[in-house]
Amino acid sequence: AQTVTQSQPEMSVQEAETVTLSCTYDTSENNYYLFWYKQPPSRQMILVIRQEAYKQQNATENRFSVNFQKAAKSFSLKISDSQLGDTAMYFCAFMNYGGATNKLIFGTGTLLAVQP
Amino acid sequence: NAGVTQTPKFQVLKTGQSMTLQCAQDMNHNSMYWYRQDPGMGLRLIYYSASEGTTDKGEVPNGYNVSRLNKREFSLRLESAAPSQTSVYFCASRNPVEAGETQYFGPGTRLLVL
Repeated sequence: AQTVTQSQPEMSVQEAETVTLSCTYDTSENNYYLFWYKQPPSRQMILVIRQEAYKQQNATENRFSVNFQKAAKSFSLKISDSQLGDTAMYFCAFMNYGGATNKLIFGTGTLLAVQP
Repeated sequence: NAGVTQTPKFQVLKTGQSMTLQCAQDMNHNSMYWYRQDPGMGLRLIYYSASEGTTDKGEVPNGYNVSRLNKREFSLRLESAAPSQTSVYFCASRNPVEAGETQYFGPGTRLLVL
């Protein structure tokens, strides 16, 4: 069975600085997707970034980028130029590739606080 | 596009009462999901529906039933609520043919069972 581990329950960063959130996963599959979702105090789950395992290039979305290390089964999220609005719970998630029944498997989350 | 909508936003139940959580999506997605979120844990899958007319159990299905009413709507029913079902419930939808396999989430329903 696949598992996702986020070992940092809470993190804090100063506004405008850079922070990295860690995620590791376990799977025997070769093709899969990885996601980072953001959950602000409103509780809405918002997709931040996604990575296809077959792509060697790390995904980037504006200030958000990932460091995907497939052999190490590691998928960290880097937030550059942190803003107050980045304060949220961040969840790493895994999904097998292909098939209509594929499900997301979530980590336990990292609570990020951006300090002014 | 409203995306994924859920009703109600908040509900208080007494132990033993029943209720149905409603979910609808207007993105023409085939697959729909119900998750629960508890403190200190990530989202856990309760039930899912790969397509209209099909439903399957997820990780934590006990105490719940679902109905995929049509392609748009996927409801979650608690027949006899228990305090252990106090949680935040999220509905999500996904189109398997869409590149990236992204699931889109509703705003959540906060349920308190006394």
